[in-house]
Amino acid sequence: DAKTTQPPSMDCAEGRAANLPCNHSTISGNEYVYWYRQIHSQGPQYIIHGLKNNETNEMASLIITEDRKSSTLILPHATLRDTAVYYCIVRVGTGGFKTIFGAGTRLFVKA
Amino acid sequence: GAVVSQHPSRVICKSGTSVKIECRSLDFQATTMFWYRQFPKKSLMLMATSNEGSKATYEQGVEKDKFLINHASLTLSTLTVTSAHPEDSSFYICSARDESVGGQFFGPGTRLTVL
Repeated sequence: DAKTTQPPSMDCAEGRAANLPCNHSTISGNEYVYWYRQIHSQGPQYIIHGLKNNETNEMASLIITEDRKSSTLILPHATLRDTAVYYCIVRVGTGGFKTIFGAGTRLFVKA
Repeated sequence: GAVVSQHPSRVICKSGTSVKIECRSLDFQATTMFWYRQFPKKSLMLMATSNEGSKATYEQGVEKDKFLINHASLTLSTLTVTSAHPEDSSFYICSARDESVGGQFFGPGTRLTVL
């Protein structure tokens, strides 16, 4: 699986959009971009995933660059409960393969 | 949505004893489950892939005789930490693959403390 690079930490004001970047310059054509988050002392929670096109669901939006070498997770209106570690993962297949976690980005949402 | 449970959520044991952790897929069948461990302020580290009806596949550096994995049914995988020592204290997390939706879902984790 391709390696990803994320900033170690970010701050965001409550109510503002949180934009979390991820670099995956060695991504292969059949690899998807997945985002998970982990709130303290809980298991990871799936957020969103995509292959080429931008995706949106009730939690977030995923913007993937045209060359697919980077992506951005957008939480449109961050709340204090969004404080967590966010993991960007690149993986072959739509869920059947083992997920390798990097260091992630620790997002602090401040009041 | 797909739900994965773990039991117990928290366990404290004495050094030298064995501890069993259960991982269940509640509303789907999972031929493949994964076990991770996580140390404080660190990322999740994949320990092994658990395959229903066959032997688990361990990641490099993980002792298979220390961490016994059994995946006897399509909804249950167990991780047994044998002869536990304080250095085995960690947060253990499982995940299960739901082939029907193509997703991987994580359990809430089990915190093991070995005294």
